[in-house]
Amino acid sequence: EVQLVESGGGLVQPGGSLRLSCAASGFTFSYYWMSWVRQAPGKGLEWVANIKEDGSEKYYVDSVKGRLTISRDNAKNSLYLQMNSLRAEDTAVYYCARSFLRSSGYFDYWGQGTLVTVSS
Amino acid sequence: DIQMTQSPSSVSASVGDRVTITCRAGQGISSWLAWYQQKPGKAPKLLIYAASSLQSGVPSRFSGSGSGTDFTLTISSLQPDDFATYYCQQAHSFPWTFGQGTKVEIK
Repeated sequence: EVQLVESGGGLVQPGGSLRLSCAASGFTFSYYWMSWVRQAPGKGLEWVANIKEDGSEKYYVDSVKGRLTISRDNAKNSLYLQMNSLRAEDTAVYYCARSFLRSSGYFDYWGQGTLVTVSS
Repeated sequence: DIQMTQSPSSVSASVGDRVTITCRAGQGISSWLAWYQQKPGKAPKLLIYAASSLQSGVPSRFSGSGSGTDFTLTISSLQPDDFATYYCQQAHSFPWTFGQGTKVEIK
């Protein structure tokens, strides 16, 4: 059974840092592009970043470039999101998601999400 | 960025009704479109990809159509489990973007 389990969320002050993790199981993690997608409280979905199977390519939405960094460790079947210089507008539930059909933007499996709250 | 606009924002319907949700892309995206269902407190679930391909395990009462800029999601006979919020998403070009969502409520 495919499982994605996020962790690392919490309350952080504006300007602070946080590192999210996503533990993958039930599939060959190194074969898939992976993404982070977020959802602000009561709002819609926003794709944040994605990373190629081997980590050699990464893409970001403009609003997080230079502040959030996606990475992966295929030996540990894990995806990460390093979040620096956090802002109130980064407050959201962060989901890791697997890309269906190689590098496509279709997400067939999602984690349960981890809540990041940026507030003083 | 490609803007995705869904209509309506919400719809009230009864079990057994046919429900249609529309999604319009700000520019042509060929068939690079997905539909997701999300229930409160849960992660989204992929229903349709490539505009009209049904994801494995999704009931056949869900169907998608369209290409270019105009797309529809149709639920042929609404079931109790279908009351949720539905999102379209373009996968044509970065950044991938979602519609604002359509909430399907019980009438």
